[in-house]
Amino acid sequence: QVQLVESGGGVVQPGRSLRLSCTASGFTFRSYGMHWVRQAPGKGLEWVAVIWFDGSNKYYADSVKGRFTISRDNSKNTLYLQMNSLRAEDTAMYYCARDPYSSSSGGIDYWGQGTLVTVSS
Amino acid sequence: DIQMTQSPSSLSASVGDRVTITCRASQGIGNYLAWFQQKPGKAPKSLIYTASSLQSGVPSKFSGSGSGTDFTLTISSLQPEDFATYYCQQYNSYPYTFGQGTKLEIK
Repeated sequence: QVQLVESGGGVVQPGRSLRLSCTASGFTFRSYGMHWVRQAPGKGLEWVAVIWFDGSNKYYADSVKGRFTISRDNSKNTLYLQMNSLRAEDTAMYYCARDPYSSSSGGIDYWGQGTLVTVSS
Repeated sequence: DIQMTQSPSSLSASVGDRVTITCRASQGIGNYLAWFQQKPGKAPKSLIYTASSLQSGVPSKFSGSGSGTDFTLTISSLQPEDFATYYCQQYNSYPYTFGQGTKLEIK
């Protein structure tokens, strides 16, 4: 069965960096687009970024563009989110999610359980 | 960016009821619309894609309809496990955007 397991969350000071990972299993990772979605405490869902199956295309929300970088290592079945210049408003649960299409045009079909990032001094 | 507006923001209903949640896009998105269910402290779960297609394993009590700018999610014969928050999302163009959510509560 499809499994997505996020890791790397924690407490970090404003202005610092953090890298999240999402390890995939139960499907052919290299054939699917992947997303990051976040949810601030008590708030709704916010789409963050997407990467195509081969890493050739990446798109970002305006709120993170220039600060966050999505990447993947298909040999390790792992998705990453490098987060730089973190702000208090980046505090959220971060979910990785699978797109049913390789070109990331199919929305989202599976979600991980999330990893919590807290930006605080 | 495409704005997604859900109504109502909250809804009280009883076990056995049928409810409908509406999602409106600020511009046409064809049928690139998904619905998700989220329970407290849990990850979202995918329910519907392309406006009306059920994800694998989702019971037929959930149904979606619409195209263009107006969409609905209908849940029939509500059971205790259906009380949750529901989100719509457009994936017609980047950045993908979600509605603000509809919290379905037990009356």
